[in-house]
Amino acid sequence: GAGVSQSPRYKVAKRGQDVALRCDPISGHVSLFWYQQALGQGPEFLTYFQNEAQLDKSGLPSDRFFAERPEGSVSTLKIQRTQQEDSAVYLCASSLSGTGGPQHFGDGTRLSIL
Amino acid sequence: DQQVKQNSPSLSVQEGRISILNCDYTNSMFDYFLWYKKYPAEGPTFLISISSIKDKNEDGRFTVFLNKSAKHLSLHIVPSQPGDSAVYFCAAKEETQGGSEKLVFGKGTKLTVNP
Repeated sequence: GAGVSQSPRYKVAKRGQDVALRCDPISGHVSLFWYQQALGQGPEFLTYFQNEAQLDKSGLPSDRFFAERPEGSVSTLKIQRTQQEDSAVYLCASSLSGTGGPQHFGDGTRLSIL
Repeated sequence: DQQVKQNSPSLSVQEGRISILNCDYTNSMFDYFLWYKKYPAEGPTFLISISSIKDKNEDGRFTVFLNKSAKHLSLHIVPSQPGDSAVYFCAAKEETQGGSEKLVFGKGTKLTVNP
């Protein structure tokens, strides 16, 4: 499709397990962003890629969170040793460049940690 | 501390009337603002934006007003339609490390348009 695609849409994991969330950005979009949205809150920035380079990871809450975009297209957000406070919707967004135009969001992955 | 604030969690209007959604910000370095609309179980959809060098931007039924001195912006929808019922997020662009511009979001306002 033409939009940002995220998978899986829903993920349930037990506390302590590792999870991997995938994002397929809009074709040709250089910039890719990950956001975390807790219930009743607005999305909060996690990290940013320009092509394959991770230029900003200041929003990652701990070293359990890791993101990669090895070929400058698909990105994966990995959370190790999950905890209950990691439960949230994880949104991926892409844009043509980092400094112009709106970011276009996927439908997110709802992560529930039991 | 919240840099982008949407103080009304919800708003209810009649179909055909005007909807006004408000947003305040604290960071004077913000220079570009956006409104997103979100339906349940979907991602935010871009609606309209405004640069800080302007005070108004219009796109069909949607108009965004920016009062830079008051650090306030508003989204006007006229006439409102039942399909406009959604959560509306105000966002501001902030330059980050690496030269990107991440979005800083408010908590959202749930708009209900009654037929």
